Amino acid sequence: ETGVTQTPRHLVMGMTNKKSLKCEQHLGHNAMYWYKQSAKKPLELMFVYNFKEQTENNSVPSRFSPECPNSSHLFLHLHTLQPEDSALYLCASSQERNQPQHFGDGTRLSIL
Amino acid sequence: SQQGEEDPQALSIQEGENATMNCSYKTSINNLQWYRQNSGRGLVHLILIRSNEREKHSGRLRVTLDTSKKSSSLLITASRAADTASYFCATDGETSGSRLTFGEGTQLTVNP
Repeated sequence: ETGVTQTPRHLVMGMTNKKSLKCEQHLGHNAMYWYKQSAKKPLELMFVYNFKEQTENNSVPSRFSPECPNSSHLFLHLHTLQPEDSALYLCASSQERNQPQHFGDGTRLSIL
Repeated sequence: SQQGEEDPQALSIQEGENATMNCSYKTSINNLQWYRQNSGRGLVHLILIRSNEREKHSGRLRVTLDTSKKSSSLLITASRAADTASYFCATDGETSGSRLTFGEGTQLTVNP
């Protein structure tokens, strides 16, 4: 138990669907992150939130839309995804930026 | 890019042996972190070493950092089958803001 919970664990969706990934952290951390992990590629940072404010968007396509309603919850809204978006999406949190990050177990996303 | 690069990409050893994984990076850092990832799970933080430190220990783990060579190594002593996982280094660069940059990882297999 890392203190970071992601739901759902698995998601299969068509390219025209809209779905959302959810992340919740119970650690009292101030920073939250979305990462994409594809096979044989380094972990890719997508978004960073610090005290609920987005501080980084790593040139992510607009079909991915993050939302951080409070410091404990982070969402990733998905819309009109492409097959190459199939990957493991990981959420992480840290007390402050650049401190060790605590990861959830991810959502395995498959785009048909 | 100051992306960390792990070496080797894959390592297979027998239980009880030591495992050494290396990481190289390209620009100045504040700290370097090592993470492990079991199959189908999120990353777990193992150890953080600051740029002014040369060696750090945690249980069976020993991390070294050579900033002149821009490299780090992770040594796992007396390995166990449960150590089988992917191991990643991540660098916190002096100019990277809130971003941790991960390498592609080393897949360690410890055979019983």
